[in-house]
Amino acid sequence: EVQLLESGGGLVQPGGSLRLSCAASGFTFSSTGMSWVRLAPGKGLEWVSAISNSGDITNNADSVKGRFTISRDNSKNTLYLQMNSLRTEDTAIYFCAKAPYSGSFYFDSWGQGTLVTVSS
Amino acid sequence: DIQMTQSPSTLSASVGDRVTITCRASQSISSWLAWYQQKPGKAPKLLIYKASNLESGVPSRFSGSGSGTEFTLTISSLQPDDFATYYCQLHNNYFRTFGQGTKVEIK
Repeated sequence: EVQLLESGGGLVQPGGSLRLSCAASGFTFSSTGMSWVRLAPGKGLEWVSAISNSGDITNNADSVKGRFTISRDNSKNTLYLQMNSLRTEDTAIYFCAKAPYSGSFYFDSWGQGTLVTVSS
Repeated sequence: DIQMTQSPSTLSASVGDRVTITCRASQSISSWLAWYQQKPGKAPKLLIYKASNLESGVPSRFSGSGSGTEFTLTISSLQPDDFATYYCQLHNNYFRTFGQGTKVEIK
C-alpha cells in the first residue's frame, strides 16, 4: 500500500523558513516524479513544486519561484520542500503527491497534508 | 501560462441527479487533463486521467470527456458520497495547473 506521510509544518513568522518532509513507502520511490500541492484557506488546490524521479529536473510555480526548493533523497525515500522568505499568503495545508510513473504529471496518491501557518 | 477555468463554481444537486462539470483551458492541451475529488479535511482523490481514463477503483458513474480546450466530468447518478469539491488539472510536460474547483452541494 502506498503511504505518503508529511511532517515539518507549523507556525512561522513572515520572512521565516521551514522545511517540510514527506516519507514514502509502498512503492519504488526512485521510479517516479513527486510534487508538492497546497490548499490555502478558502482557496482551491495550487500546484507548488515538482521533481523528477532522479532529482535532476525541478520546476516551481511562479508564486514560489526563488523562495521554495524541492529536493529528494532516494536512499531515504523522502521528499523535501525548503521554504524560505515565507509570506502570509503561503499559509496552507501542504500535500505531497506521487505521479504514477516517470514522465507522468498527474497524481495517483497523496499524503494527508501538513499545515503551515505564516503569521506574526 | 495556460489557465484552467471550471464552471460552475458551486452546484446544488439531489441524490440521483446527473451532474456535469466543465473545465476550459486557455489554449489547446490535447487530452492532458485529470479530475480529482476532495472532501473537507481529506487528501484529493484521483478520478480521471488523460481526459477520459477512469482510475482503478473509481465507480463507473464517473466519466470524463473532451479534448483540446473543453472538458467535462459527468456523474451519471449522484450518490451521497459524491458531495465534495471537484478539481480539474492540466498535466502536460511542464504545467500542472489546477482549476479553481467546483463544489457539489446537497440541494
